[in-house]
Amino acid sequence: QSALTQPRSVSGSPGQSVTISCTGTSSDVANYNYVSWYQQYAGKAPKLMIHDVSKRPSGVPDRFSGSKSGNTASLTISGLQAEDEADYYCCSYAGNFRGVFGGGTRLTVL
Amino acid sequence: EVQLVESGGGLVQPGRSLRLSCTASGFTFDNYAMHWVRQVPGKGLEWVSGISWNSNNIAYAGSVKGRFTISRDNAKNSLYLQMNSLGTEDTALYYCGKDRSGAWLDAIDNWGQGTMVTVSS
Repeated sequence: QSALTQPRSVSGSPGQSVTISCTGTSSDVANYNYVSWYQQYAGKAPKLMIHDVSKRPSGVPDRFSGSKSGNTASLTISGLQAEDEADYYCCSYAGNFRGVFGGGTRLTVL
Repeated sequence: EVQLVESGGGLVQPGRSLRLSCTASGFTFDNYAMHWVRQVPGKGLEWVSGISWNSNNIAYAGSVKGRFTISRDNAKNSLYLQMNSLGTEDTALYYCGKDRSGAWLDAIDNWGQGTMVTVSS
């Protein structure tokens, strides 16, 4: 099972919107609506930001949104804030109880 | 409050074994699937293994299949990872994670702080 493909880095200015893509295959992203997104600060455990493609857990700002088209899922952060600077990982169910993560994207707020 | 506390990490020689534990509290442990996820310092996350609420569904990443064994003891609110034939490529921080679902990988909504495993001679 190969890792999902994410851009290594993205950047944006405060107030702008950024989108992070996550490309998989017909065996994972395209075939299941169990795509999740995680935010991770250096030295900290990951935090769930989006589950089931587009659902936000309680407490996650509505600036974070998720979507999916075919074998590509996306995380969009609108109204970018300095505190959003972190690493972001996507994850998809890959069948047979297996999971697969993306390689991660470093978000820089300029 | 959900708490997941990993233990059992440390320095081990190549070819040896190690058993990780994760003690859970703050939720009904036997209602949820659980996972192990690892991260090489400075690198990305890698899903390692998952187990359903009743242990009927178990899966492993290809990189550890045949060497690692996941298990759980619902009476003790504990998750385990038995790691055999360890190689330097297994050096990583190992996280325990709680799934939103009981029976498959939906999303990991709570994470421990991790336990570091270093494989070196």
